[in-house]
Amino acid sequence: ELKVEQNPLFLSMQEGKNYTIYCNYSTTSDRLYWYRQDPGKSLESLFVLLSNGAVKQEGRLMASLDTKARLSTLHITAAVHDLSATYFCAVEGNTGNQFYFGTGTSLTVIP
Amino acid sequence: DSGVTQTPKHLITATGQRVTLRCSPRSGDLSVYWYQQSLDQGLQFLIHYYNGEERAKGNILERFSAQQFPDLHSELNLSSLELGDSALYFCASSVDPIPPGGLAGGHQETQYFGPGTRLLVL
Repeated sequence: ELKVEQNPLFLSMQEGKNYTIYCNYSTTSDRLYWYRQDPGKSLESLFVLLSNGAVKQEGRLMASLDTKARLSTLHITAAVHDLSATYFCAVEGNTGNQFYFGTGTSLTVIP
Repeated sequence: DSGVTQTPKHLITATGQRVTLRCSPRSGDLSVYWYQQSLDQGLQFLIHYYNGEERAKGNILERFSAQQFPDLHSELNLSSLELGDSALYFCASSVDPIPPGGLAGGHQETQYFGPGTRLLVL
């Protein structure tokens, strides 16, 4: 079974700072997804990364995918309080089209 | 508002019972996905339906079953409920268009999530 690890699990950062969340996975996959979840709320799709070297940016968030290293990063630039949430990555297995989720990174941005 | 609706929002039931969770996808979306989120197991993919047919199956127990109807709404049936089935159940939908020449090669489209059904088994 494909394993997905996210780190850190908890992240507390000051407004205006930059930081990166890492998502490692155990077997080959070309498709990776990032989601955001606010406390008590549903999930929101952030990025869909479909190939090696894919990079996508939306506002202060930028996601990239390195399929050879089996690594995706979610980079936060000049964090603001509104980015406080839990961020999940999910990897699609190469057979069977199943999704495997990371444990999530709980981000708190402190004013 | 994602456009995906789920009913009921909350459900409290007893062990051994059976419940049905309902999901209506966004207008025009052919794919429906079901997920389970719990404190001890995290987020888990359960099953994916595309235009009425099962496309992928994840960590779905044999006590659970799902289907997608001709109008594209989906139901997740949970039977012989156990305490450990208490969780938040999400559905999501996406377009997943079929490219020329065959079935879609993967989940290329953004998924839109419903608000979830919170199930408590006592």
